[in-house]
Amino acid sequence: AQTVTQSQPEMSVQEAETVTLSCTYDTSESDYYLFWYKQPPSRQMILVIRQEAYKQQNATENRFSVNFQKAAKSFSLKISDSQLGDAAMYFCAQAKRSNYQLIWGAGTKLIIKP
Amino acid sequence: DVKVTQSSRYLVKRTGEKVFLECVQDMDHENMFWYRQDPGLGLRLIYFSYDVKMKEKGDIPEGYSVSREKKERFSLILESASTNQTSMYLCASSSTNREQYFGPGTRLTVT
Repeated sequence: AQTVTQSQPEMSVQEAETVTLSCTYDTSESDYYLFWYKQPPSRQMILVIRQEAYKQQNATENRFSVNFQKAAKSFSLKISDSQLGDAAMYFCAQAKRSNYQLIWGAGTKLIIKP
Repeated sequence: DVKVTQSSRYLVKRTGEKVFLECVQDMDHENMFWYRQDPGLGLRLIYFSYDVKMKEKGDIPEGYSVSREKKERFSLILESASTNQTSMYLCASSSTNREQYFGPGTRLTVT
């Protein structure tokens, strides 16, 4: 069965510094999608970044970037220049290309220290 | 701007009541999902739907049913609410790119 593991239940970082959130997954598929979602306190879940497994290049969205290691089945999220508004639960998720369901990690709570 | 709306942000119901949670999306998405979110457990899929009148069980369908009579609307039904169904319920929709768009959630308390 597919699984997604986020080994850090909680992380904290000083404002303006860089933090990396870990995610590993287990799949027998060769083609799939990976996502990081953000859920601020009492607010809506939104997509942060996505990666397609067939693409070698790591995805980047402004201050957010990923380190996609396909062989190691690792998909970490790096947040540069952390801001107070980055405080949230972050969820890693995976989808097969053949399927519309997402498999979710348990989440990492990110705390930003002013 | 894409939008997924849910009928209530907060809901309090009594044990044994029939509960309806409504979700509407305006993006013409084929796929819609109902999740339950509990601390430390992430998101667990209850049911999903690929098309009108189509439904598939997710990981935790027991005690729930769904209805999708129109493409834009996906309803979650708790036939007889129980206290262990107290949770946050999230609705999402997606198209072929797998990216899911979420509603604001309904925090349901069953007393």
